[in-house]
Amino acid sequence: DSGVTQTPKHLITATGQRVTLRCSPRSGDLSVYWYQQSLDQGLQFLIQYYNGEERAKGNILERFSAQQFPDLHSELNLSSLELGDSALYFCASSIRDSTYNEQFFGPGTRLTVL
Amino acid sequence: AQSVTQLGSHVSVSEGALVLLRCNYSSSVPPYLFWYVQYPNQGLQLLLKYTTGATLVKGINGFEAEFKKSETSFHLTKPSAHMSDAAEYFCAVTYGGSQGNLIFGKGTKLSVKP
Repeated sequence: DSGVTQTPKHLITATGQRVTLRCSPRSGDLSVYWYQQSLDQGLQFLIQYYNGEERAKGNILERFSAQQFPDLHSELNLSSLELGDSALYFCASSIRDSTYNEQFFGPGTRLTVL
Repeated sequence: AQSVTQLGSHVSVSEGALVLLRCNYSSSVPPYLFWYVQYPNQGLQLLLKYTTGATLVKGINGFEAEFKKSETSFHLTKPSAHMSDAAEYFCAVTYGGSQGNLIFGKGTKLSVKP
């Protein structure tokens, strides 16, 4: 158990819908990262927050957004869903935003878009 | 741009045999390198990492990796495979100043035969 929790574990929805994925980082971790794992694209970095502020953006679509709240939990919002958005979405946390700090991964949310 | 190539999407070894999973990276600046393991239906767990210093890095579960700058490689090895090593392994790279977001290889699925 990494100490990072993600809810829900599974999510099935239809095209065009909007969903919210939630992540609670390990106690004391200030940085949250979101990654997408799909069969064709592999594991890709989406976005990073540190202590409530956006720090880095990767291959995140405009239909996707995220935020980190004062209690440090983070939410990833996916809207106008398409079939290709079906993937495993991971959240990871680390103490700070440095490259030296180990990232601890949650169990993931499996999103299926029908 | 940084990238990671993992040779072999699937590697099969017998129990007790040497495990060798290959990783080559492309980076214009000194890289920080990581190996993660993903067991079925779980998140990623850090096996080992190289940032600076000794180029031979020892990790958990008997794994080790050697950073070879001249070959731009960071291959993962274990002298004797165990059935419990069956999982998917991901090599990842980041670099100083990137805020720590990881760039992953496509992954190598390791099977261990009895």
